[in-house]
Amino acid sequence: DARVTQTPRHKVTEMGQEVTMRCQPILGHNTVFWYRQTMMQGLELLAYFRNRAPLDDSGMPKDRFSAEMPDATLATLKIQPSEPRDSAVYFCASGTDRENEKLFFGSGTQLSVL
Amino acid sequence: QKEVEQNSGPLSVPEGAIASLNCTYSDRVSQSFFWYRQYSGKSPELIMSIYSNGDKEDGRFTAQLNKASQYVSLLIRDSQPSDSATYLCAVRHQGGKLIFGQGTELSVKP
Repeated sequence: DARVTQTPRHKVTEMGQEVTMRCQPILGHNTVFWYRQTMMQGLELLAYFRNRAPLDDSGMPKDRFSAEMPDATLATLKIQPSEPRDSAVYFCASGTDRENEKLFFGSGTQLSVL
Repeated sequence: QKEVEQNSGPLSVPEGAIASLNCTYSDRVSQSFFWYRQYSGKSPELIMSIYSNGDKEDGRFTAQLNKASQYVSLLIRDSQPSDSATYLCAVRHQGGKLIFGQGTELSVKP
């Protein structure tokens, strides 16, 4: 049963620490999305990759966030330094670049920055 | 103005009733529209997609699209308590990025 795998599931850290979240997209998928979900803002798009190339990261705070795809099986989202306002659930989703294809979401990383 | 707007709710309907969820979007050139369901503490999952003006039915769910009005809706017939969740409207822009609305919380009372 193909699925998107995200690690860690939960992360508690102190303000100022670096946080790295990892995502393994479904084999054969060539698009990867990172979203952040909070009660106030809902699901916000942070970054979007196609064939490992970043296509849109306009929703991501550039001074502290970075997103990469070192290879087709791994996407990473880093926050350095982390701040309490970064506390949220971070979802990774993968799909194909056909218009009518659905996205498959991972289980998310629940991040708490104290 | 947000790119995709939904009433946050909560929307409460009795079991067996029709639940109507609405969404508007700002990008006129968008071509693909989706409804995702998210149970509390879980990740979103796709329940409907629609690309052409009009209605699309799948079991108890009907998606409606009006591109001239930039409006998408989801009707759930014979609502069940198991339908209680947050429903997210999503719009795919040219270039492929998928933008979500804030979601409407639906509560179906037995």
